[in-house]
Amino acid sequence: SYVLTQSPSVSVAPGATASITCGGNNIVSKNVYWYQQKAGQAPLVVIFYDSDRPSGIPERFSGSNSGNTATLTISRVEAGDEADYYCQVWDSSSDHYVFGTGTKVTVL
Amino acid sequence: EVQLLESGGGLVQPGGSLRLSCAASGFPFSNYAMNWVRLAPGKGLEWVSGISGSGAYYADSVKGRFTISRDNAKNTLYLQVNSLRAADTAVYYCAKAVNPGDILTGPPFDTWGQGTLVTVSS
Repeated sequence: SYVLTQSPSVSVAPGATASITCGGNNIVSKNVYWYQQKAGQAPLVVIFYDSDRPSGIPERFSGSNSGNTATLTISRVEAGDEADYYCQVWDSSSDHYVFGTGTKVTVL
Repeated sequence: EVQLLESGGGLVQPGGSLRLSCAASGFPFSNYAMNWVRLAPGKGLEWVSGISGSGAYYADSVKGRFTISRDNAKNTLYLQVNSLRAADTAVYYCAKAVNPGDILTGPPFDTWGQGTLVTVSS
């Protein structure tokens, strides 16, 4: 089955840039989605189709996808960005959605 | 306003069963693929099951034990969970696809409910 691997944690100072990676075999061939989940809340999609931002999501959030790695970048990090972040793809070979292992972003 | 409201969770013994429900409003329910996703304590998000016109789809971890269904007349999504194990303990969310159409196009999820907690313990 398809596997998506994320670093467990990222720590970043306010105002700095956080990069969260999602590794998967030839992930560039898939559409990648990114979700933010704050403690006690439901997930929220922040990037879909690799780099599109839903309405209401700040421009500080951006996405890219190349080779075997997709990346979510959060610029000018704010305290309110502290959350768990998950990547997601649809694996057409198994007809399953797959979530990444998740990355906890801590704002110092 | 698009809303999803889950119910039906609770404490159940290993081997037991529950039926989870997700009441949808604010969009043409029958046109959208719907999904169940769970978050176990200390773990990450796990897609459990999805349904649309092409059929029902399940994660390997629940196949044969869980059954997804929908009542388009009642705008409600269901998940029948049987033969429960401690590892099934989680908050279960229902989630709506961002676009109308079939789940096989793999759309992202734009709306989630607040979740219902299932605890499997003796």
